[in-house]
Amino acid sequence: AQKITQTQPGMFVQEKEAVTLDCTYDTSDPSYGLFWYKQPSSGEMIFLIYQGSYDQQNATEGRYSLNFQKARKSANLVISASQLGDSAMYFCAMSPNFGNEKLTFGTGTRLTIIP
Amino acid sequence: NAGVTQTPKFRVLKTGQSMTLLCAQDMNHEYMYWYRQDPGMGLRLIHYSVGEGTTAKGEVPDGYNVSRLKKQNFLLGLESAAPSQTSVYFCASSYGRGPGELFFGEGSRLTVL
Repeated sequence: AQKITQTQPGMFVQEKEAVTLDCTYDTSDPSYGLFWYKQPSSGEMIFLIYQGSYDQQNATEGRYSLNFQKARKSANLVISASQLGDSAMYFCAMSPNFGNEKLTFGTGTRLTIIP
Repeated sequence: NAGVTQTPKFRVLKTGQSMTLLCAQDMNHEYMYWYRQDPGMGLRLIHYSVGEGTTAKGEVPDGYNVSRLKKQNFLLGLESAAPSQTSVYFCASSYGRGPGELFFGEGSRLTVL
């Protein structure tokens, strides 16, 4: 069975600073995908970034990057130059064997950006 | 471009009542999913469908039924609602099995009294 662990229930970060949200995972599948989603107070789930287990380079999407450390089974999200609009819940998720039907979510981290 | 649309957005039920949540997507996606989100927990998969006419159980299927009679629609039914089914329900869709992102609806907040 697969498991996602997000150990930071909440974080407060000063505006314009970089922030790292932690995510560790556990799976016995050699092939898997890792995702990060953002959930603002309005409630919708917004896809941020994806990393495949065989990808050699860390994924990047604008101000978002995924720090993928396979040996440590970690997939931390890094947000550079944080903005007030980054305040939201952030969920890490994993699809074992690249299967969306088995997508498992972590419990989330609530990020608050302080002006 | 609507994406994934859920109906209704809010509903209050009494214990034992039944209801259906409708999910519609206009992206011609094969896969569709129903999740529930509870405080302090991540999203948990209730049921999913890999194509028209197919359904399969997810992590927490008890007390729910689903149907996918048309490719663009995925219905979630509660035959006899219980307070434990008070939750926010999300529908999602994806082009295929993966890898790839899921596209989510805006969520439906259900309260069972």
